[in-house]
Amino acid sequence: DAKTTQPPSMDCAEGRAANLPCNHSTISGNEYVYWYRQIHSQGPQYIIHGLKNNETNEMASLIITEDRKSSTLILPHATLRDTAVYYCIVRVPPLFGNEKLTFGTGTRLTIIP
Amino acid sequence: DVKVTQSSRYLVKRTGEKVFLECVQDMDHENMFWYRQDPGLGLRLIYFSYDVKMKEKGDIPEGYSVSREKKERFSLILESASTNQTSMYLCASSLLAGVKSGELFFGEGSRLTVL
Repeated sequence: DAKTTQPPSMDCAEGRAANLPCNHSTISGNEYVYWYRQIHSQGPQYIIHGLKNNETNEMASLIITEDRKSSTLILPHATLRDTAVYYCIVRVPPLFGNEKLTFGTGTRLTIIP
Repeated sequence: DVKVTQSSRYLVKRTGEKVFLECVQDMDHENMFWYRQDPGLGLRLIYFSYDVKMKEKGDIPEGYSVSREKKERFSLILESASTNQTSMYLCASSLLAGVKSGELFFGEGSRLTVL
């Protein structure tokens, strides 16, 4: 699986859009980008994934650059509850299972009141 | 609502004790995972299983074993607990294959302290 690079920490004002970057310059053509977040004292929570098109769901938007070497997770109107560690992972979806999923150290996002 | 349940939120054990961490999921998922999480190190994969009685080593399997006798249950075993196994342990499950196999559902975690 491709390595990802994320800033260790970021701040964002409450009500503003939080833009979390992820660099995955060695991504291969069939690797998907997945995002998770982990709120303090809880298990990680899946947010969104994408291959090359931009994706949006009720939690966030995912923007993947045309060359797929980086992506940005966007929380459009950040609230205090969005304070968490955010993980970006790239992975080839297995056809038959028997594949691990590895997390990095993520970005600690702090929403400022 | 989908659920991954870990048997204990907090445990305190002594060095040398045998420790069982239990995890049950109700989503009929094939994949199950055990991670540990330590400050500054993120989540590290210990073992995973893609079928009953099947197991695969993750990135840090030393000092641990696992058991998967039933599809819904995945146990992490510390045969002889040591202080460097003090950590938060997280269990997760997912579908077997395809894009959705990357959507892991996690339990709340078990914080183990080894004295």
